Amino acid sequence: KQEVTQIPAALSVPEGENLVLNCSFTDSAIYNLQWFRQDPGKGLTSLLLIQSSQREQTSGRLNASLDKSSGRSTLYIAASQPGDSATYLCAITSGGYQKVTFGTGTKLQVIP
Amino acid sequence: EAGVAQSPRYKIIEKRQSVAFWCNPISGHATLYWYQQILGQGPKLLIQFQNNGVVDDSQLPKDRFSAERLKGVDSTLKIQPAKLEDSAVYLCASSRAQGWTSGTSTDTQYFGPGTRLTVL
Repeated sequence: KQEVTQIPAALSVPEGENLVLNCSFTDSAIYNLQWFRQDPGKGLTSLLLIQSSQREQTSGRLNASLDKSSGRSTLYIAASQPGDSATYLCAITSGGYQKVTFGTGTKLQVIP
Repeated sequence: EAGVAQSPRYKIIEKRQSVAFWCNPISGHATLYWYQQILGQGPKLLIQFQNNGVVDDSQLPKDRFSAERLKGVDSTLKIQPAKLEDSAVYLCASSRAQGWTSGTSTDTQYFGPGTRLTVL
């Protein structure tokens, strides 16, 4: 059974700082890993999708890396802004039916 | 491109009552997911459809929850009877297809705004 853990559960940083969010998983036989952001009272927005054959993906100030052998992924946010404040979730697709398992999320607050 | 639509956005019911949620996925998306997200937790997959067939419903409490996807498009999720612990946000998502080449899946999931259910 795939288990996904995100640390820290909450993070508060001043505007402009670079930061790293962590995601770890127990079963390395994955199809892909996806990072989402969730704003209060809203659904999830996909940020980056990393295929199992890839090691990283970049979109603007975001960079996500994947290390299957160690069961880890990181989301790097450069030059953080108050608009980045949200909960960030990682999701793993794995198993015979490509089941999606989410982590519990990291709640980020960027202070102006 | 229109996003995933869900209704209602909010629902308050008393325990033992019934409730139904509706989802309309992005046009052309073959795969549809229902998730339950309890406050402070990540979404938990309840059921996954590929077209109108069920791919995975291993975490769906089948004694009270049911879901269907008629004609492989819209989907409804029903709870009957509801319990206090069913209070959560119910999220619907869709993706083009979970087909894969060389062992990798290619599809991004797109989420609707969710339905917040409160059971009193």
